Amino acid sequence: QVQLVESGGAVVQPGRSLRLSCATSGFTFSDYGMHWVRQAPGKGLEWVAIIWYDGSNKNYADSVKGRFTISRDDSKDTLYLQMNSLRVEDTAVYYCARKHFDWVSADYWGQGTLVTVSS
Amino acid sequence: AIQMTQSPSSLSAVVGDRVTITCRASQGIRRDLSWYQLKPGKPPKLLIYGASILQTGVSSRFSGSGSGTDFTLTVDSLQPEDFATYYCGQDWSFPLTFGGGTKVEIK
Repeated sequence: QVQLVESGGAVVQPGRSLRLSCATSGFTFSDYGMHWVRQAPGKGLEWVAIIWYDGSNKNYADSVKGRFTISRDDSKDTLYLQMNSLRVEDTAVYYCARKHFDWVSADYWGQGTLVTVSS
Repeated sequence: AIQMTQSPSSLSAVVGDRVTITCRASQGIRRDLSWYQLKPGKPPKLLIYGASILQTGVSSRFSGSGSGTDFTLTVDSLQPEDFATYYCGQDWSFPLTFGGGTKVEIK
C-alpha cells in the first residue's frame, strides 16, 4: 500500500535552515508528482510546493518562494523540502502528499512532521 | 492567487443528518476542485476530486457537485466517523489554495 513517511522536523531558530525528507513506498515514485502542504497550529491547510514526476517543473506558494526548494531523488524514492531563512510563521506540521496521476489533487498523505521556528 | 471561501466555518449535526458544505472560488476554476477530510492526529484524506469524482475507497455517502465558482460537498446520513474538518482546494492554477475549513461537530 502507498506509504509516505516524513522526517526532519525540529525546533530551529529564525533565520536557520532545515531539510525535510519524505520516504515513499508502495508505488512507482518516479511516475508521480509530489506536494508539500503545511498546517500551522490552529490554522487551516496551506499548500507549499509541487514537483512534477520528472522534476521538470516546480511551483511554490508566494510565502515560501525564494526560501524553500522542493526536490526529489528517484533512486531513493524520496522527496525533500529544503527550507532556508526560516521565519516564526513557518511553524507548522508539514505533510508530503502524492499528486494524483491524472489530476493535481493530493491523493495520499503522510502523517506529517512538526517544524517549530522559535528563538 | 485564487481565494477559496467555505461556508459555514462550523456546524453541529447529529448522526443520520444530511450535511452540505459550500465552497466559492474568487474566479472560475472549471471543475478543478478537491475536498479533503482532516481528523486530529491523522493525515488529511482526499474525498472528492474533479469536483464530483469520488476517490477510491471513500464512502458513497460523500458526493460533490458544482463547476466554475460554486461547489458543494454533501454528506448523506452522517456517521460518527464523519465528524471532522473539511477543506476544499482549487487545483486550477498555482499557487494552489484551500478554503478556510468547515468543522462538523456533534450536536
